[in-house]
Amino acid sequence: EDQVTQSPEALRLQEGESSSLNCSYTVSGLRGLFWYRQDPGKGPEFLFTLYSAGEEKEKERLKATLTKKESFLHITAPKPEDSATYLCAVFSGGTYKYIFGTGTRLKVLA
Amino acid sequence: KAGVTQTPRYLIKTRGQQVTLSCSPISGHRSVSWYQQTPGQGLQFLFEYFSETQRNKGNFPGRFSGRQFSNSRSEMNVSTLELGDSALYLCASSFGGSHTDTQYFGPGTRLTVL
Repeated sequence: EDQVTQSPEALRLQEGESSSLNCSYTVSGLRGLFWYRQDPGKGPEFLFTLYSAGEEKEKERLKATLTKKESFLHITAPKPEDSATYLCAVFSGGTYKYIFGTGTRLKVLA
Repeated sequence: KAGVTQTPRYLIKTRGQQVTLSCSPISGHRSVSWYQQTPGQGLQFLFEYFSETQRNKGNFPGRFSGRQFSNSRSEMNVSTLELGDSALYLCASSFGGSHTDTQYFGPGTRLTVL
């Protein structure tokens, strides 16, 4: 069964304290892995798409990496405005559906 | 470029009633997907429409239905509402040519069933 698990569920960081969020997946025929950011009361905002193991993408303080079993979202020197819920999703080539994880709630303290 | 819009933003209904939610995709996007988001389950896929045809559906009961119009706008309907239907309903649009085209989400409709 296709499944996405994100850890930790919640994370509190001091401003400038780098860390990583994990997204582990089991999927039949990975066609893409997606990271989104969601602020309270808003819809998810697209961050990255990764297609194959070894691929990396960066955007400002964020860097996403992909292996055959998991993806990491590295946050370097975070700022309070990085506080949000980060969602991971995969697209299954077996079911042609997106499967989302339940997210990591990140809080960055000034 | 205008983003995905959803109306209404908030709804309060009672058990047994039905509700219709609306989604206007980004101009040029032909695919619209609907998701239900709850604190415990996260985002659950409801269905996807592409060029007025349902291209895929999730594991929800038949009370949940949708349609897409020729201008790509989409509606979803929930009949015989249950307390467990309380959730944030999100719509996402994409070009749709490829299943893995980037999805852009609207702000959602917050449905509360009393």
